[in-house]
Amino acid sequence: QVQLQESGPGLVKPSETLSLTCTVSGGPTSRYYWTWIRQSPGKGLEWIGYIYNRVNTYYNPSLKSRLTISVDTSKNQFSLRLTSVTAADTAVYSCARGQVSGAYFDSWGQGILVTVSS
Amino acid sequence: QSALTQPASVSGSPGQSITISCTGTSSDVGVYNYVSWYQKHPGRAPKLIIYEVSNRPSGASNRFSGSKSGNTASLTISGLQAEDEADYFCNSYTDTSTRWVFGGGTKVTVL
Repeated sequence: QVQLQESGPGLVKPSETLSLTCTVSGGPTSRYYWTWIRQSPGKGLEWIGYIYNRVNTYYNPSLKSRLTISVDTSKNQFSLRLTSVTAADTAVYSCARGQVSGAYFDSWGQGILVTVSS
Repeated sequence: QSALTQPASVSGSPGQSITISCTGTSSDVGVYNYVSWYQKHPGRAPKLIIYEVSNRPSGASNRFSGSKSGNTASLTISGLQAEDEADYFCNSYTDTSTRWVFGGGTKVTVL
């Protein structure tokens, strides 16, 4: 059974870069949409973006100019990097494995709260 | 504000059946059979319970069933049990540039 676990700092200063890593255990990091999703306080879930086949990425247009998702297959990890953060980026960030064939997410991490504050 | 609309809460007594709706648009739920449902208990990762409108993954209880009519998808939990008390949210693929949209979640309470 594949398991996903997010890691990274829980506090980031405004204008700085938010970096998170998702470690995948129990399964390969190929052939899936490796996805980041977030939920801001009091708001709904928001799809951030995914990486597929190690190099193909697709980002939410609202975040695209600040966002990079990458994968390190040697470590079975994929990462999120969001630059120039503001308070609006405060959220619980979750990683998930997306099935290419059916467009659903069959495994999720527990999520990590990231607060943007000075 | 979520792209897909769900009721904030639904409750039922043990053994009863409850249904949670998930209303989208002709850009997502109405046009794709890529609606999925997730169960989330506090402090735990979301668990996939329905995919592609009505399919159950292995490990999901057969008390969960899904359907769709027009722009609205539904999740039915039959034979409600105490362990079903959790948050449930829906998800759909969309033909807009955001690719996936989510519901705001429904808190299920077992009375």
